[in-house]
Amino acid sequence: DQQVKQNSPSLSVQEGRISILNCDYTNSMFDYFLWYKKYPAEGPTFLISISSIKDKNEDGRFTVFLNKSAKHLSLHIVPSQPGDSAVYFCAASEGNEKLTFGTGTRLTIIP
Amino acid sequence: DAGITQSPRHKVTETGTPVTLRCHQTENHRYMYWYRQDPGHGLRLIHYSYGVKDTDKGEVSDGYSVSRSKTEDFLLTLESATSSQTSVYFCAISRTGGTKETQYFGPGTRLLVL
Repeated sequence: DQQVKQNSPSLSVQEGRISILNCDYTNSMFDYFLWYKKYPAEGPTFLISISSIKDKNEDGRFTVFLNKSAKHLSLHIVPSQPGDSAVYFCAASEGNEKLTFGTGTRLTIIP
Repeated sequence: DAGITQSPRHKVTETGTPVTLRCHQTENHRYMYWYRQDPGHGLRLIHYSYGVKDTDKGEVSDGYSVSRSKTEDFLLTLESATSSQTSVYFCAISRTGGTKETQYFGPGTRLLVL
């Protein structure tokens, strides 16, 4: 049973526009959420995180929003750049349990 | 870049043969992890280690064993490879193992079991 779901396998966005990647989860006990970015032939790299006590966290062009009542988080990238083309994984954890990853969304930025 | 290497980077093997993948780190981090990445499943934890000779199972541990005889090396063994173990395998490390701590990933090993 997939506890963390990324329902869009792929997304294409024009350069300069906003990219919005979505993630839904089913476990209401998750208290920490992360986004990882992965380029081809490389391992995932940490991008941004958010604790369940917050509803927003911002780091430069990247902002993560958390809606606990809807069990939904999203990653906003603005403005989108060609180097943002990658696969994005959301992940969640409950207390000290290990990370549960989503299935990933492939983002393509169109020049 | 965290100092993590994986070897081999690519491997083709036949069903029933043993396979060992190696993860090597130069960061002296205590925690090491093995994940597999498959379409439709994302990254799933196979095994992890919280110190030399200290290991535990993850979500998808069946058919896999691990060993850690030195801080810097974490080995993943498929005792008798099956086609369902065709995957991309990632090693990761973290200093304390806390879930709010960033994990750093290696470049991955692409394994094909025929």
